[in-house]
Amino acid sequence: NAGVMQNPRHLVRRRGQEARLRCSPMKGHSHVYWYRQLPEEGLKFMVYLQKENIIDESGMPKERFSAEFPKEGPSILRIQQVVRGDSAAYFCASSRETSNQPQHFGDGTRLSIL
Amino acid sequence: AQSVAQPEDQVNVAEGNPLTVKCTYSVSGNPYLFWYVQYPNRGLQFLLKYITGDNLVKGSYGFEAEFNKSQTSFHLKKPSALVSDSALYFCAVRDGKGDKIIFGKGTRLHILP
Repeated sequence: NAGVMQNPRHLVRRRGQEARLRCSPMKGHSHVYWYRQLPEEGLKFMVYLQKENIIDESGMPKERFSAEFPKEGPSILRIQQVVRGDSAAYFCASSRETSNQPQHFGDGTRLSIL
Repeated sequence: AQSVAQPEDQVNVAEGNPLTVKCTYSVSGNPYLFWYVQYPNRGLQFLLKYITGDNLVKGSYGFEAEFNKSQTSFHLKKPSALVSDSALYFCAVRDGKGDKIIFGKGTRLHILP
């Protein structure tokens, strides 16, 4: 029973490049959430998606960041023209449809910007 | 707006002693409350949740949490701590109407051998 799969686990980019982070939710889960975590800090909500829809993107920076969850395939968090401040761990979580279900997390993608 | 507070950045407990990690919350409706644990270089793992019913909730690895509506608290407890319990613990809340979970900033638990 595979859990939430994120890849790559580690991603190194130079300033100005693009970063693409992928997340495959648990089987049967239709809700996907992206979070960002800085060292020794909590999780900051970024975006909540269902298949082909962005439900809540209140935590997403207005520029350079975008997310999608297509009908087929993984959810993608895309960061264009990365800057040093984008360095962080990015976690994806998924859940079933009902709101009393816990979120299940992947092991994250650690993004380092040179 | 919903929020959750973990007032302690770090908690130190001797192995074998009881432990408590504190959490208070604020929501507009009925709260759904969760505890998660994070080990180094890993994602968060679900420990337990309170939705409705018994105020004392039992979860994984011998942990439990007590929902206290009047104090708006959901403290995590364990009767006898293990060194392997050392990790980062997150409390989270979702109000009954929303889909977004808000996480506390985390409490680092150190169990001393």
